Amino acid sequence: EIVLTQSPGTLSLSPGEGATLSCRASQSVSSSYLAWYQQKPGQAPRLLIYGASSRATGIPDRFSGSGSGTDFTLTISRLEPEDFAVYYCQQYGSSPITFGQGTRLEIK
Amino acid sequence: EVQLLESGGGLVQPGGSLRLSCAASGFTFSSYAMSWVRQAPGKGLEWVSVISGSGGSTYYADSVKGRFTISRDSSKNTLYLQMDSLRAEDTAVYYCAKGVYSSGWSMNLCSDWGQGTLVTVSS
Repeated sequence: EIVLTQSPGTLSLSPGEGATLSCRASQSVSSSYLAWYQQKPGQAPRLLIYGASSRATGIPDRFSGSGSGTDFTLTISRLEPEDFAVYYCQQYGSSPITFGQGTRLEIK
Repeated sequence: EVQLLESGGGLVQPGGSLRLSCAASGFTFSSYAMSWVRQAPGKGLEWVSVISGSGGSTYYADSVKGRFTISRDSSKNTLYLQMDSLRAEDTAVYYCAKGVYSSGWSMNLCSDWGQGTLVTVSS
């Protein structure tokens, strides 16, 4: 099983700042089958990034993904108030499918 | 517009059974894989199961294998999760999610999600 470890656990930033979220895998993620989701309180998750770096439909270009192998990053270039949420990475190229434990992005 | 509406959650005793449903609309149901993902109260996301667009392939997390059964009815555009031998640790909000493809690894990528249904296993 591929274990995904996200860091930091909580990130405190102000609107307008940039954010960098990390997702490290216990073994290589095949073909960059790595996705990022955003979840706000009381809501379902929303797909942001797939294939490590491709934005899903309707996702603003301030969200970008990068990485390969075991190290992946989600970058939010200029935080908007609506970006404060919990972010999860997911690997979907190896069974069982696994999620990271999440990074909470909170307003400083 | 893709819509996914889960139902069937509720309170059940340990050892009991429950069947969740997910009514889908806004897309060609049989062309996409469908998944169940759960979230225990205050916790992160846990993948539960996936079924291919044809229904011919199903996969389960080890934690539910042998107890849960995923199925789909394309005539009703509905996804199901039959949950038997329920345990306290199965307590969670259960989300159904639409895959990006019908099969292959990318069928596990969830592009659209329902709002979830809460399952509570307690005596």
